[in-house]
Parts: sequence; C-alpha cells; structure tokens
Amino acid sequence: DTEVTQTPKHLVMGMTNKKSLKCEQHMGHRAMYWYKQKAKKPPELMFVYSYEKLSINESVPSRFSPECPNSSLLNLHLHALQPEDSALYLCASSQGFREGYEQYFGPGTRLTVT
Amino acid sequence: AQSVTQLDSQVPVFEEAPVELRCNYSSSVSVYLFWYVQYPNQGLQLLLKYLSGSTLVKGINGFEAEFNKSQTSFHLRKPSVHISDTAEYFCAVTPSSGGSNYKLTFGKGTLLTVNP
Repeated sequence: DTEVTQTPKHLVMGMTNKKSLKCEQHMGHRAMYWYKQKAKKPPELMFVYSYEKLSINESVPSRFSPECPNSSLLNLHLHALQPEDSALYLCASSQGFREGYEQYFGPGTRLTVT
Repeated sequence: AQSVTQLDSQVPVFEEAPVELRCNYSSSVSVYLFWYVQYPNQGLQLLLKYLSGSTLVKGINGFEAEFNKSQTSFHLRKPSVHISDTAEYFCAVTPSSGGSNYKLTFGKGTLLTVNP
C-alpha cells in the first residue's frame, strides 16, 4: 500500500474559525511533510517531521500548527487564517528524511478562507 | 543551495507525438533528481528518479529521463504521448549527501497539454 490519505478533500472556513487537516499513511514511513501549493506554482515546504519530532519549520506563521500524534498520523491545525492562505495543502511521507528517499504525496485538501 | 529551472512553462503537443520537457539544475553538491507529475486536482506522483548508476532512467507510463552531469540537465522524454498525459510536470532535486537538509527543491513546473 503506497497511499497517503488526506481529509477533508475540500474545506471552506472563515477567518475566525478553527479547523484541522488530517493526513495518514500506513507504509511505515518515518518522515512526514506538509506543503502548501498555490495555483500554477510548485509545492512549498511548510513542515517536516522525522521520527515524530518537528525537524523543519519553514518560518510558517503561527496560525498554522502541526502535530504528529504518532508515526502514521499528521495533523495541521488552522486558526485565524487569512484569505491569502487559500491553497491546496499537500501531505507527503517518505521512508526517512534522508537522501534518496522518494516522497509519496496525498491528494491534498483544497482550502478556501473566506 | 540548489535551484531548478524548467525552461518551458507550457508545452502543447499533438497526441502520439514525441515530447521532451527540459530541466536544468544548479548545485554546489551532488544531487539526486526526480520528476513528479500532477494531474488536475490531484497530488503529486513520482514518475522517475535518478540516484546513481545508469544515466538513462526509465519511469512509469512510458517516460524516461537522462541525467547529464556536464550539462547539469535531467530532461524528461516520451516517444508517443496520450491525451491522458496532460498534466503539470515538476522536476526536483535534493542533496545526495553532506548535510542534514534533504528538502526537495522544485522547478516551477511545465504544463504539458496533449491535443487530439
């Protein structure tokens, strides 16, 4: 099974709402990632978890809060977002956060902030 | 640091024609190279990767790519495209060793449109 699942597929939220994005993989991967992708642009890395510890935070605003409850799950908690945060949010996983390991991507959550 | 240049933002071709999507990279260290495809409203899927060995790499869906170290290129080719190949294609690199930062650096993408 080489699947990364993400829920929900679509999310519309107001600027005062709190919501969460969820990502799950059952490949035994020890690295998990959150990316943000705007239309017609490449994905931009937001966070990397390696062995359930936050390894990289790409200076993401605090209104985005990642969480890795266990090695299979990755959450992204959203609070007080801005309209410019509307984007496709992609989760990925890899065997490890080391050279050569390919990343497997989920289908993404399409987020609209109103 | 690494950078990736995809020379064409859009490539229109007719069905059954050959196609080449160009990718050049810049890096002060050795790199591993990847091509990902993104179909409309979907996530990214790995097409192929170059880690070492033969410079000609074969991937899924009939795609192949050739690593040219002297020209720092990793162009993607397919001898005969189908309508279903219409998608965005991203070239990406990551350092092969010598540090702890194994982030993927993506190119800006090339939109391949296959017309009947």
